[in-house]
Amino acid sequence: QLMLTQSPSASASLGASVKLTCTLSSGHRNYAIAWHQQQPEKGPRYLMKVNSDGSHSKGDGIPDRFSGSSSGAERYVTISSLQSEDEADYYCQTWGNGIVVFGGGTKLTVL
Amino acid sequence: EVQLLESGGGLVQPGGSLRVSCSASGFTFSNYAMNWVRQAPGKGLEWVSSISGSGGTTYYADSVKGRFTISRDNSKNTLYLQMNSLRAEDTAVYYCAKNIGQAVIEYFQHWGQGTLVTVSS
Repeated sequence: QLMLTQSPSASASLGASVKLTCTLSSGHRNYAIAWHQQQPEKGPRYLMKVNSDGSHSKGDGIPDRFSGSSSGAERYVTISSLQSEDEADYYCQTWGNGIVVFGGGTKLTVL
Repeated sequence: EVQLLESGGGLVQPGGSLRVSCSASGFTFSNYAMNWVRQAPGKGLEWVSSISGSGGTTYYADSVKGRFTISRDNSKNTLYLQMNSLRAEDTAVYYCAKNIGQAVIEYFQHWGQGTLVTVSS
């Protein structure tokens, strides 16, 4: 069954870097995923697509501070030089066989 | 600039019906598959349904299959979600989302701001 697993929470200090993880279920390690950011009280915003080879393509206007990478069944988004506006929920998304799946989301706190 | 504007949310009794809409602008609407995604209060995102650019192909999450119907009017650049036999667990903000391209099942490039549907007596 196609599933995505995310840690519920993460935290990092202002100006530091953080790496969020999204893990694909067994048998689906070659799937691409997309990352979306949801700031408080707002609709989600597309950040980037991350492929199994680690290549990624960002959405319009997404700062260079955001980057994507992969290792095995794990897909990552790294945010460097953390700013207060990066405090948000981050969701990964994958798709296939007539369904779309979201991870449970990671709430990022900027300290 | 791509814009997606949902409307039609509100309070409805259990067992009732409601239709929400999404007005699209800033792109050639018929060239893109579209989707509905919902978010229950304090919870994560849940995919609801997807539709091809022509409207001829649709997919649904098991939780809404047989109760919800997705459709589109390309002449009006509008996406719809008809919701019947509503339950308390359907209470959520409903987001409209545009795919990256024509493929029906793919990732989402743009999102609306959502419309709240509350199912309660």
